[in-house]
Amino acid sequence: NFMLTQPHSVSESPGKTVTISCTGSGGNIGNFYVHWYQQRPGSAPTTVIYEDKQRPSGVPDRFSGSIDSSSNSASLTISGLTTEDESDYYCQSYASNNWVFGGGTKLTVL
Amino acid sequence: QLQLQESGPGLVKPSETVSLTCTVSGASISTTNYFWGWIRQPPGKGLEWIGSIYYSGTTYYNPSLNSRVTISVDTSKNQFSLKVNSVIAADTAMYYCGRHERYTYGRFDPWGQGTLVTVSS
Repeated sequence: NFMLTQPHSVSESPGKTVTISCTGSGGNIGNFYVHWYQQRPGSAPTTVIYEDKQRPSGVPDRFSGSIDSSSNSASLTISGLTTEDESDYYCQSYASNNWVFGGGTKLTVL
Repeated sequence: QLQLQESGPGLVKPSETVSLTCTVSGASISTTNYFWGWIRQPPGKGLEWIGSIYYSGTTYYNPSLNSRVTISVDTSKNQFSLKVNSVIAADTAMYYCGRHERYTYGRFDPWGQGTLVTVSS
């Protein structure tokens, strides 16, 4: 079964850059698009990156996505961190009639 | 503007069946390019895809829940529904509905605001 693994938590200081990884297992992460969601407490998830590296309108260009086939992983990079970026982040993809979410990463900006 | 709104009972007893409905407004559920899905999130935990349906009635389910879950669609009401049988405490979660693209296996967007289901006697 295809699975996506994320670090449980990451932390970084305001103004810095952080990268959250999403590693695929049981399949090739490059076969289908990876999407990234931000979830603030008490709210539904919203898209910050879709189709590996596309940003929805309204998402600042401080957010970027990439795929590394050599490590079978996707990454979400956030530069110029602000306290407003402190949230949970989830990656999501697809394999064999299953839509799969990573376990989520709690980003702390301190 | 497309909006999705979940509705459900809130509290359900163990071993019972919980039924949730997602009402779609601002677009037809019968569009050819989209699936309509259910995702849940237990308190303090991550997101879990439950299953998805196409307007024709074709369904896909998470294998871990397949035997207890049924998703259906009512195009006349522009709604789709989720039933979970024989609920247990571990089914306590926020349940979200969302639309996702069929041909690109795209993102879930938009999402509903969610409805909390608590399993307790």
